[in-house]
Amino acid sequence: AQKITQTQPGMFVQEKEAVTLDCTYDTSDPSYGLFWYKQPSSGEMIFLIYQGSYDQQNATEGRYSLNFQKARKSANLVISASQLGDSAMYFCAMREGVGANSKLTFGKGITLSVRP
Amino acid sequence: NAGVMQNPRHLVRRRGQEARLRCSPMKGHSHVYWYRQLPEEGLKFMVYLQKENIIDESGMPKERFSAEFPKEGPSILRIQQVVRGDSAAYFCASSPQGPISGNTIYFGEGSWLTVV
Repeated sequence: AQKITQTQPGMFVQEKEAVTLDCTYDTSDPSYGLFWYKQPSSGEMIFLIYQGSYDQQNATEGRYSLNFQKARKSANLVISASQLGDSAMYFCAMREGVGANSKLTFGKGITLSVRP
Repeated sequence: NAGVMQNPRHLVRRRGQEARLRCSPMKGHSHVYWYRQLPEEGLKFMVYLQKENIIDESGMPKERFSAEFPKEGPSILRIQQVVRGDSAAYFCASSPQGPISGNTIYFGEGSWLTVV
């Protein structure tokens, strides 16, 4: 089974509106972390937001918030007040456990296009 | 604060040549990870290193690929006798501690390898 699933086709949003990018995950480890990264057309990977499995509250970072639903194993990224510069690929990733072999596993990504 | 530095950003090699990709982690970070991104795909884990040690190389192809992180100097990902299928973006990431779930890792801007 895939660890991280991002199944939305290319997403479009009007400038200044909010958009939700979906991510579901699969793990049996009680300790894990969920991450979102942005990859603009220039190629670099930009860390956006992190949610720990034991965190009581949803993570927020400026215009980014993570809608963490543990029972559903979903960690959707919400971008409020979209800007043209938000057009990019967005990757959800998970790190499981605390052992030495814990590493990030990425989803296939979602393309977001912001319309003026 | 300099981020994770990778060079070269772009590298073109003929089939059969060697490719060497370098990564200097963020200051104070002693844990380095290499990921590969094929076109239209998410990042795939290759190897995790600490200074002078390979901790996890479960994502490395069995042949032609090697990685090191010497006591002094950058981490090197080496691909011998490159083939067209090695064309990809190679990302390096670093973290200050081991892969505890809550520990964010930071990515470099990537090295784009093109094999002609």
